[in-house]
Parts: sequence; C-alpha cells; structure tokens
Amino acid sequence: EDQVTQSPEALRLQEGESSSLNCSYTVSGLRGLFWYRQDPGKGPEFLFTLYSAGEEKEKERLKATLTKKESFLHITAPKPEDSATYLCAVRVFSGGYNKLIFGAGTRLAVHP
Amino acid sequence: EPEVTQTPSHQVTQMGQEVILRCVPISNHLYFYWYRQILGQKVEFLVSFYNNEISEKSEIFDDQFSVERPDGSNFTLKIRSTKLEDSAMYFCASMAYVSLGGYTFGSGTRLTVV
Repeated sequence: EDQVTQSPEALRLQEGESSSLNCSYTVSGLRGLFWYRQDPGKGPEFLFTLYSAGEEKEKERLKATLTKKESFLHITAPKPEDSATYLCAVRVFSGGYNKLIFGAGTRLAVHP
Repeated sequence: EPEVTQTPSHQVTQMGQEVILRCVPISNHLYFYWYRQILGQKVEFLVSFYNNEISEKSEIFDDQFSVERPDGSNFTLKIRSTKLEDSAMYFCASMAYVSLGGYTFGSGTRLTVV
C-alpha cells in the first residue's frame, strides 16, 4: 500500500535555528514527490517537486532533497513567517491516471 | 499568478441537506481534483476528473457525492444528503499536464454540517 510518513509531527524552533523535516514514503514507482506549505484555514501552497534520487531544489530558506526512500526539507535560519504546516505528498498512478497521497504534515513554529 | 478559486469560503448546512461546492480551476488546466481535510487530519483524495469524466475516485466518494464541469470553466462537487462526518475543508486542485508536475490548490471551502 502506498504510504507517506512525516516526522516530526511538530517542531518548535528559535529564529535562526536551522533544522530538517523528514518525509519517508513507500510507493510502487515514484512519479514525483511534492512539498507544500499550508497556513491555518488555507489550501496547500506548492513549494517543490522532486523526481529522482539525488535531486535538490531550493527556494529562499528552504531546500528539498530526495533519496530512494525519503525526502528532507531543510530550513536554514528560519524566521517567524516560516511558521506553517509543511506537507509532503507523492504522486501515484493507477490506470493511467494520477493523484497525490499526502502525509500528515509537520507543524513548524518559529519563535523570535 | 493564476489561481484556483473556490466558493463559498465557508458553508453551514443542516444534516440531510444538499450542498454544492464550486471551483474555478486555472483556465488551461486539464486535470481536476477534489480533496478534503477533516480538522487535524491528513489531506485525503476524493476524486479526479479528466476529459469530462471521473478518472478515479476514493472509497470516501460514495453515491452521495458527484462532480460536474457544467460549462467548461466551473468544477463542482455536490453532496446530496450531508452527514455530520462530512464536515471538513474541501479543496479543489487542478493541473495542466502530468509532465509539468505542480498541482495548484484553491483556498478551500469549510463545510460545517449541523
């Protein structure tokens, strides 16, 4: 069964304290791993797509990396405005059609 | 930047009533989706829609649910007889082409069934 597990469930950081969020997955044939940011009461906001092991993508203080079994979202010198829930999702195909399967997310709180 | 627009942002309905959630996907997108998120839980896939028909649906998407793309721009989710457990955020998403990755999500409709 296709599965996505994120850790930790919640993370509290001081402003400037770098850390990493983990997303491990079990899917039959990865066709893309997605990171989203979700603010309370809002829809997921697209951050990155990774397709193959070894791939890395960066955006401001965020860097996403991918191995064959997991992905990391590294946050460097976070600011309070980085506080949000970070969602990992994998794309799976069935019968030629595709959908995203989400993990439960990591709630990040960055304090000044 | 193009957006997926959802209306209403919040809907309160009586148990047993029908509700229609509306979405306007990005205009050149071909694939359309509904997801839901019960408070404090994962975002869950409901249904995907391509070429004017359902391409896949989850076990959540039972006979009480239906989707339509009535006029080439709107994409609607109908729940015929709402239950308390249908209370959730409902997100619409769209995607241009599979090869181009990114699914764009709307801001969601918070459905409260009382």
